[in-house]
Amino acid sequence: EVQLVESGGGLVQPGGSLRLSCAASGFTVSSNYMNWVRQAPGKGLEWISVIYAGGITYYTESVKGRFTVSRDDSNNIVYLQMNSLRAEDTAVYYCARDPGRNFWNGYFDHWGQGALVTVSS
Amino acid sequence: DIVMTQSPATLSVSPGERATLSCRAGQSVNSNIAWYQQKPGQAPRLLIYGASTRATGLPARFSGSGSGTEFTLTISSLQSEDFAVYYCQQYFDWPLTFGGGTKVEIK
Repeated sequence: EVQLVESGGGLVQPGGSLRLSCAASGFTVSSNYMNWVRQAPGKGLEWISVIYAGGITYYTESVKGRFTVSRDDSNNIVYLQMNSLRAEDTAVYYCARDPGRNFWNGYFDHWGQGALVTVSS
Repeated sequence: DIVMTQSPATLSVSPGERATLSCRAGQSVNSNIAWYQQKPGQAPRLLIYGASTRATGLPARFSGSGSGTEFTLTISSLQSEDFAVYYCQQYFDWPLTFGGGTKVEIK
């Protein structure tokens, strides 16, 4: 059974850093395209990053240069390192799997339960 | 960025009735559209991809249609568990973008 479990959320001051983890089971993160999607309180969904099966990464413009996605293949974990956090980064952060094995589909068939990040002084 | 516009923002429907949700893309996305359902406090759930292909295990009362810029999600006979927020998403181009959502509520 495919499972994604996020951790690492919490309260951080503006300008601070936080690292989210997404522990996967039931499949190998190195074989799938893994994404991060966020949802501000009461708002819609926003895709923010992907790490390709081959390790290439892409980001939405608003987080480029501040967020970094990486992967620990030996432990089957995907990370989202978030630096220079702003109030507008406050959201629930979901990791989400693209179902293609070693190829990209572009949609998400499994999601984690989400991790809440609150940026506030 | 490709802007995805969903309408209506809220749809009030009685159980057993049909619900028709619309999603418009700012430019053609071919059939590269997915639909998700989200209930309060839960993660989104994939319903439809490729504009019309149902995800594994999805009841047949859900159907998707459209191509280019105009897309529709239809729920033929609403069940109590279908009251939720629905999002469309395009995966034709980067960045991947979602619509603002349609809330389907009980009339």
